[in-house]
Amino acid sequence: QKEVEQDPGPLSVPEGAIVSLNCTYSNSAFQYFMWYRQYSRKGPELLMYTYSSGNKEDGRFTAQVDKSSKYISLFIRDSQPSDSATYLCAPVETMVGNTGFQKLVFGTGTRLLVSP
Amino acid sequence: DTEVTQTPKHLVMGMTNKKSLKCEQHMGHRAMYWYKQKAKKPPELMFVYSYEKLSINESVPSRFSPECPNSSLLNLHLHALQPEDSALYLCASRGQVNTGELFFGEGSRLTVL
Repeated sequence: QKEVEQDPGPLSVPEGAIVSLNCTYSNSAFQYFMWYRQYSRKGPELLMYTYSSGNKEDGRFTAQVDKSSKYISLFIRDSQPSDSATYLCAPVETMVGNTGFQKLVFGTGTRLLVSP
Repeated sequence: DTEVTQTPKHLVMGMTNKKSLKCEQHMGHRAMYWYKQKAKKPPELMFVYSYEKLSINESVPSRFSPECPNSSLLNLHLHALQPEDSALYLCASRGQVNTGELFFGEGSRLTVL
């Protein structure tokens, strides 16, 4: 079983729809949960992140974490064709040893297609 | 536009060539990363530099050689690569410590013939 599971899609929706993107994870030690958006042939772009359980809203985007069920969600309201991209969830793992670094544990990404 | 700049955007090389990928950031970040991304896969961590010192090497083959000349620059030297090394190579710099906040460049797309 992978540490982070994410449906690869594609998820096709009409413009204006509410989109729900989800991940599940297995490591209860994760504290920070990142969402990245990646357009075709571009680098990932940080959308938002949350700490521990709860919700965070930024414009049309809402990130939600339920640590009790190990479930991560990203909601997009009033979806636009420009939202068409791959969305990667990435819980953060603190690397062992004295490095003190955090490692992003990426899901496979969900490809979203928003049609006009 | 991303504040992490990678050059070249595209690179084609033969298996006997030596080439380098370059990354630059001017956000004052002190940790920089190299990732490799194959098509339809998530990025895979290769190396992490902190304060110009190599801190993490994720068991990457020695044909990939990273270098951090100063706090703004990160290089990846390539030698004797294999066709399976063809991928998008991403550079990232770390923002807030402890959160895992990374800022990625647009990547260098490498093709090994």
